[in-house]
Amino acid sequence: QTVVTQEPSFSVSPGGTVTLTCGLSSGSVSTTYYPSWYQQTPGQAPRTLIYNTNTRSSGVPDRFSGSVLGNKAALTITGAQADDESDYYCVLYMGSGVWVFGGGTKLTVL
Amino acid sequence: EMQLVESGGGLVQPGGSLRLSCAASGFLVSNFYMSWVRQAPGKGLEWVSVTHTDGSTHYADSVKGRFTISRDNPENTVYLQATSLRAADTAVYYCARGRPYFHMDVWGKGTTVSVSS
Repeated sequence: QTVVTQEPSFSVSPGGTVTLTCGLSSGSVSTTYYPSWYQQTPGQAPRTLIYNTNTRSSGVPDRFSGSVLGNKAALTITGAQADDESDYYCVLYMGSGVWVFGGGTKLTVL
Repeated sequence: EMQLVESGGGLVQPGGSLRLSCAASGFLVSNFYMSWVRQAPGKGLEWVSVTHTDGSTHYADSVKGRFTISRDNPENTVYLQATSLRAADTAVYYCARGRPYFHMDVWGKGTTVSVSS
């Protein structure tokens, strides 16, 4: 069974830069998995940040960027702000009509 | 404004059934693939199912054989029929619109399903 891995938690200082990653329990993440990233605050629906590895969704600030780094997809936040404190989820398209979410990363800005 | 509104959640006993609805406004579901994603209390997001414009459907292994996704294009609504419910199915169920490059761009606020005796 495919498991998509993310750091459970991460911390960044206001104004700092943080890179969250999204990997596979077996194998490497590439652009062919069309990685996308979602932000969720408690009690709210997810918000789309990045799709197709590195395309920002409409209205998303350019301090959010996506990439593939080594064998993982990555979400980088440059100049973190207090309201970036959220849960971040990646999801990979596995083919054959199936998606798998990662377990999510709880980002603290302090 | 594009919007998705889920309904139909509630408290159900183990082994019971529910039909969740996702009503769309501001766009036609007939033009998009539509997914259901769920989130158990205190847990992460889990993709559940998708219905494509050609009528094809796919499911996560955790719900295959128990859940059925469907769409009613004239009603502009997507459904998720959940049967043989288990405690592990307790979650907020979100409906989401699918877009090119396999991502979801519009999300509903969710409907809560609780499976308990």
